[in-house]
Amino acid sequence: DTAVSQTPKYLVTQMGNDKSIKCEQNLGHDTMYWYKQDSKKFLKIMFSYNNKELIINETVPNRFSPKSPDKAHLNLHINSLELGDSAVYFCASSQRPAGGRETQYFGPGTRLLVL
Amino acid sequence: GQQLNQSPQSMFIQEGEDVSMNCTSSSIFNTWLWYKQDPGEGPVLLIALYKAGELTSNGRLTAQFGITRKDSFLNISASIPSDVGIYFCAPAGSARQLTFGSGTQLTVLP
Repeated sequence: DTAVSQTPKYLVTQMGNDKSIKCEQNLGHDTMYWYKQDSKKFLKIMFSYNNKELIINETVPNRFSPKSPDKAHLNLHINSLELGDSAVYFCASSQRPAGGRETQYFGPGTRLLVL
Repeated sequence: GQQLNQSPQSMFIQEGEDVSMNCTSSSIFNTWLWYKQDPGEGPVLLIALYKAGELTSNGRLTAQFGITRKDSFLNISASIPSDVGIYFCAPAGSARQLTFGSGTQLTVLP
């Protein structure tokens, strides 16, 4: 069974459109994340949600809006897509056990291409 | 600001050779994670380090959390073709936020 899943895997769209990417985790984790990986493979965190509440919001244009309907889901909605939004977007989840030792588990990624 | 340097950027090695890569930072971290990313896939956790000086192995992989808490290395022994991919270090401080290194692209030649 897939632990962290994302849909769609590929997304090709026109500039100016609005699109959403969905993420689900079946690990029972309390925290979920969105990362962006650019063409040089650099991975950067965008958002983090803990128990449906936003806890990390890096410098991301407000065209990007995460939504967490429940602990197992974190969706990413992007308005007015721009060419520079083309990248691979990864969802991840984590759970901090007692003692603070945590790890993050990543989904397979959504490859977004804006034309 | 915080600086994280991962090196080397890329490596071309012969099958059977050992590999070493490292990350250094200007900041102190509480956790060092190492991930591998295969083409078209998401990063997969290889090794997690939680204590300064900790040395941990996972099969042919060995990683150490530097005693200063500002660096970590990953070694791969007796490389095989399936070791090809991008390796990332990802340290974290007290907040639950990972900072990813720029990656080491490993190519294993037969």
